[in-house]
Amino acid sequence: DQQVKQNSPSLSVQEGRISILNCDYTNSMFDYFLWYKKYPAEGPTFLISISSIKDKNEDGRFTVFLNKSAKHLSLHIVPSQPGDSAVYFCAARESSYKLIFGSGTRLLVRP
Amino acid sequence: NAGVTQTPKFQVLKTGQSMTLQCAQDMNHNSMYWYRQDPGMGLRLIYYSASEGTTDKGEVPNGYNVSRLNKREFSLRLESAAPSQTSVYFCASSEPGTAVRNTIYFGEGSWLTVV
Repeated sequence: DQQVKQNSPSLSVQEGRISILNCDYTNSMFDYFLWYKKYPAEGPTFLISISSIKDKNEDGRFTVFLNKSAKHLSLHIVPSQPGDSAVYFCAARESSYKLIFGSGTRLLVRP
Repeated sequence: NAGVTQTPKFQVLKTGQSMTLQCAQDMNHNSMYWYRQDPGMGLRLIYYSASEGTTDKGEVPNGYNVSRLNKREFSLRLESAAPSQTSVYFCASSEPGTAVRNTIYFGEGSWLTVV
């Protein structure tokens, strides 16, 4: 049973608009949540994280929101750019050495 | 700045053959990891090494062995490859610290096909 779920395998948005990627989790013991971005034929790269004691973290065009009561987090990208087209993985930290990843959402930003 | 380097990038194996995936990092990180990525499954942890001299099983260790050769290098061995091990394998490293900096740096991946 997947502890971290990304229910939307793909998302397409127009350049300049907002992209919202969603992630749900089941384990209330996760203490940190992270988003990774992956281009084809490359390894995932860290994008942004949020502590479980916070509800929002912002870094430039990227904002992550955490709703602990709903066990839901989302990544907002504003404005979206064609270079943002990639697969985005949500991950939750179970321990210092273990991240649990979601299955990924493929984002396409149309020019 | 190479970061995490893994070899080979592509490999085709026959069922029952053995092979070793090599990984090296130049960031002086203590912890290293092997993940596999399968369609619709995200990345799953196979084995990790919290520090030099230690290794531990992750979510999907069956059919694999690992060796933490030194602080830089962490290898993954398939003793008798099976078609179910067809996957993309990612090596990664991290430096445990405060959670904000506890991010994992990934290599570019190794595409393995077992026929």
